[in-house]
Amino acid sequence: QITLKESGPRLVKPTQTLTLTCTFSGFSLSTTGVGVGWIRQPPGKALEWLALLFWDDDKRYRPSLRSRLTIGKDASKNQVVLNMTNMEPVDTATYFCVYRQVGDYYDFWGQGALVTVSS
Amino acid sequence: SYVLTQAPSVSVTPGQTAMITCGGTNIGDKSVHWYQQKPGQAPILVVYDDSDRPSGIPERISASNSGSTATLTISRVEAGDEADYYCQVWDSSSDQEVFGGGTKLTVL
Repeated sequence: QITLKESGPRLVKPTQTLTLTCTFSGFSLSTTGVGVGWIRQPPGKALEWLALLFWDDDKRYRPSLRSRLTIGKDASKNQVVLNMTNMEPVDTATYFCVYRQVGDYYDFWGQGALVTVSS
Repeated sequence: SYVLTQAPSVSVTPGQTAMITCGGTNIGDKSVHWYQQKPGQAPILVVYDDSDRPSGIPERISASNSGSTATLTISRVEAGDEADYYCQVWDSSSDQEVFGGGTKLTVL
């Protein structure tokens, strides 16, 4: 059974760096084709894809946020970490950790973590 | 970058058929995926690769993709189908996932 769970601060100040951790189980990030990514959703708004880490350490980022995002893994802990620098109030959103395998769709999602950016 | 356009809302009465569209330039050349999201919950995948359903998704939910429009069809709509629905594609030209703006399905 595949599960993913997001953890990290729920409140960050403007200009700070957000670090979110996705702890997963039920699969290995070393398996060919597997990817773990992040998608966010501002309150009342649409889903917005942020980043994706593949089994072979290949990475993809949302072009408009590339300079602020870093995705990485701690394979020994079954974790994927997302760093987002220079947080602003517009970055207030629920951040979801997601899993994909064969195709470019996300068939498992974490419950989401609401992150508020405010001074 | 690639844009997916969805109508903000669709309303149907129980038992009727709901059609939710997702427009994009030559979207028929891409694989389209659909998600259902109920209030306060994470999205769930309801259709992948244009028209395939994950296990557990009822046959009442179907989808197609051709030309400039992908369509999610929900037959015999039930109150429990009330949710936001999002389409998604991979845009190879910009190397990113793209989501539509979402359609709120209201069951009257």
